[in-house]
Amino acid sequence: AQSVSQHNHHVILSEAASLELGCNYSYGGTVNLFWYVQYPGQHLQLLLKYFSGDPLVKGIKGFEAEFIKSKFSFNLRKPSVQWSDTAEYFCAVKKAAGNKLTFGGGTRVLVKP
Amino acid sequence: DGGITQSPKYLFRKEGQNVTLSCEQNLNHDAMYWYRQDPGQGLRLIYYSQIVNDFQKGDIAEGYSVSREKKESFPLTVTSAQKNPTAFYLCASNLRGGTYEKLFFGSGTQLSVL
Repeated sequence: AQSVSQHNHHVILSEAASLELGCNYSYGGTVNLFWYVQYPGQHLQLLLKYFSGDPLVKGIKGFEAEFIKSKFSFNLRKPSVQWSDTAEYFCAVKKAAGNKLTFGGGTRVLVKP
Repeated sequence: DGGITQSPKYLFRKEGQNVTLSCEQNLNHDAMYWYRQDPGQGLRLIYYSQIVNDFQKGDIAEGYSVSREKKESFPLTVTSAQKNPTAFYLCASNLRGGTYEKLFFGSGTQLSVL
């Protein structure tokens, strides 16, 4: 069965620090990749997605993610975080020809002011 | 405002009781989904519907049932067969089934067992 791993469950960092959240998946075929974010008190929302083309994807609020096919990874990055980036981040993967979106366990990020 | 409305926000279930969670969307989306969220486990797919009058089991469908009689509504029933129902339940929709281009989520229902 397809699985998605987010190795860091909790991350604490200070404002202006760089952030990188790991995401690895188990499926070997063509995939669509997503990062969703849930800010405190808000709905889950799409941060960015990769379907094809340039493996470096830019999303909202200065986030980007890089798809490395050989490593089955889709890590999320932000060069300089802000207090408002405090949230829970979820990686999700879908087989390109499939109907199910599989989520990772999530990473809670706390940015200290 | 367009969006997804889930109700109730909190729900309590007694032993042996069936309970129904409501999910309504006014986005005119074809596809709707139910996910269960447990701490540290992310979101797991319970059921999904790509079009009215059709739905499929997700990864953890046992103990749950759904219906999709109207495009805007996708209620989830947690039956007495679900032995561990305490969780946070999220409903989502997508413009077209199967693409997952952008899921829109509701605010969720927290179900607890009395």
